[in-house]
Amino acid sequence: DQQVKQNSPSLSVQEGRISILNCDYTNSMFDYFLWYKKYPAEGPTFLISISSIKDKNEDGRFTVFLNKSAKHLSLHIVPSQPGDSAVYFCAASASLSSGTYKYIFGTGTRLKVLA
Amino acid sequence: GAVVSQHPSRVICKSGTSVKIECRSLDFQATTMFWYRQFPKQSLMLMATSNEGSKATYEQGVEKDKFLINHASLTLSTLTVTSAHPEDSSFYICSARVLFSGGLLYNEQFFGPGTRLTVL
Repeated sequence: DQQVKQNSPSLSVQEGRISILNCDYTNSMFDYFLWYKKYPAEGPTFLISISSIKDKNEDGRFTVFLNKSAKHLSLHIVPSQPGDSAVYFCAASASLSSGTYKYIFGTGTRLKVLA
Repeated sequence: GAVVSQHPSRVICKSGTSVKIECRSLDFQATTMFWYRQFPKQSLMLMATSNEGSKATYEQGVEKDKFLINHASLTLSTLTVTSAHPEDSSFYICSARVLFSGGLLYNEQFFGPGTRLTVL
């Protein structure tokens, strides 16, 4: 049972344009969401997070949108740069209810930004 | 800040041997560390949650006698793969959870660089 899904395994975007990565979840107890970037043979790097009390969080070129009613979040990267090419994972946590703060990761989307 | 290291970065061993992987939080204290496993082109699968000074909590389907976790201090957790077999070959990643740092409240996990285990 995949509680966090990233339905697009890959995405190609032209440099300078917007990259939109999507993530859907099924567990309504999730209250904290994160996006991580990962290069091959390296650990994930934290990008941005959002609490369920918000619907948008912005940090530089990265913006995360949360639609709780649709159980959907998205990561927007504007403008996209070739260095953004990596695998992006969304993660969800039911930190307040479970207290364990463990993350459930999506399956990842491989972003390729074309120069 | 919030740097997590793993050692070794890569290990090749013979079937039947045991392998220990270390995870250290370098500039903060981590009361909770997590161990993940990633197969090629797949997601990160949580194996266990490790709390300092107590027994690890294993996810369903993860053999606790196979994957021994010790979290003896606030900066070190170890994963020992006992009697490793080729099917244990994988990329193992640890993370450390920061709760408070510099007076600020965080809830992010910071990941180590991973350890590539190959069992021949």
